[in-house]
Amino acid sequence: AQSVTQLGSHVSVSEGALVLLRCNYSSSVPPYLFWYVQYPNQGLQLLLKYTTGATLVKGINGFEAEFKKSETSFHLTKPSAHMSDAAEYFCAVRRGTGTASKLTFGTGTRLQVTL
Amino acid sequence: DAGVTQSPTHLIKTRGQQVTLRCSPKSGHDTVSWYQQALGQGPQFIFQYYEEEERQRGNFPDRFSGHQFPNYSSELNVNALLLGDSALYLCASSPPLTVYNEQFFGPGTRLTVL
Repeated sequence: AQSVTQLGSHVSVSEGALVLLRCNYSSSVPPYLFWYVQYPNQGLQLLLKYTTGATLVKGINGFEAEFKKSETSFHLTKPSAHMSDAAEYFCAVRRGTGTASKLTFGTGTRLQVTL
Repeated sequence: DAGVTQSPTHLIKTRGQQVTLRCSPKSGHDTVSWYQQALGQGPQFIFQYYEEEERQRGNFPDRFSGHQFPNYSSELNVNALLLGDSALYLCASSPPLTVYNEQFFGPGTRLTVL
């Protein structure tokens, strides 16, 4: 079975500081990994994804994530936080292939950005 | 290009009632998945529809059922509502023959059961 663990339900950073949101996965096969962001009272927006190839993945809004197979991790980073980054972030792993696949989500990390 | 749309945005029901939620996928998408997101939790997979058939199902009781129409839109039905069914219900669509199955999410329907 595949699963995702997000360490830290709440993370607070100052504006301009580094953002690091942690995600570890368990998978018996090479995973497809995703980070989604959810702003208050909205649905989920895809930030970035890892499928195959380059292990450092760049996404929208200056975010990036690195797939580390040896550590079974897919941590999300951003060099400099902005107030508009305050939201809930979800890491997800894809189970199955094609139309039979589904996403398994972590419990989420709420990012707070302070002045 | 319209994204994934869901209706209604909010819904209040009482225990024992039945509810129907609706989803229109993004243009060009043919697969629809439904997720339940309880307060403070990550989304949980309910089921997925493709070619008007349920293809995969998560760990949800039979009270949860769905349908997909020829135009790829979908409905989620929940019977005999329980207080614990209160949640944000998210619909996600994905395009045909997508190896990576990138799913695009709608804004959700917030269901409150009193």
